[in-house]
Amino acid sequence: AQSVTQLGSHVSVSEGALVLLRCNYSSSVPPYLFWYVQYPNQGLQLLLKYTSAATLVKGINGFEAEFKKSETSFHLTKPSAHMSDAAEYFCAVSPYGEYGNKLVFGAGTILRVKS
Amino acid sequence: DGGITQSPKYLFRKEGQNVTLSCEQNLNHDAMYWYRQDPGQGLRLIYYSQIVNDFQKGDIAEGYSVSREKKESFPLTVTSAQKNPTAFYLCASGSSDQPQHFGDGTRLSIL
Repeated sequence: AQSVTQLGSHVSVSEGALVLLRCNYSSSVPPYLFWYVQYPNQGLQLLLKYTSAATLVKGINGFEAEFKKSETSFHLTKPSAHMSDAAEYFCAVSPYGEYGNKLVFGAGTILRVKS
Repeated sequence: DGGITQSPKYLFRKEGQNVTLSCEQNLNHDAMYWYRQDPGQGLRLIYYSQIVNDFQKGDIAEGYSVSREKKESFPLTVTSAQKNPTAFYLCASGSSDQPQHFGDGTRLSIL
């Protein structure tokens, strides 16, 4: 069965420091992978997606992620954290390697940014 | 502007009561989804529908029911059989060429 593991339920960084949020997945087919961000009491907003094109994917707000098939990973990074990046981040995989079908989500990582 | 509207934003349920959460989308998406969010557990799929008049159970369907009579609408009923309904409920929609878009959620609490 497909699954997503996010290492670290809470990550704390200083403003201006590198952000690294880890995601490992399992999938029996070439996956579609997603990162979403959620601010308190709001829905999820798509940050970026991987759909079997370029392995380095750039998203909104300066975030990017690299798909590494050999490591079954899709870690999210941002070179310099901003206070407004404080939120919860979810990694998700499409079990069927396509849009239009259900997603499997990781448990989420709460990012705290210290001034 | 296209989007997904969930209502109400906050909802309270009494013992033995059924409550219905509304989800409407004007994105012309074929597929719609209901997820439940609990702290530290991510999102878990309750029900989903890929076409009007058809829907499938997700991972935690017990105690919930849905209908899909119109493409735009996918209401979720939390029945009295759901013994632990307190959670944040998120509705999403998607299509064969776009990732899922989410509404702003409904927070359900027990009185």
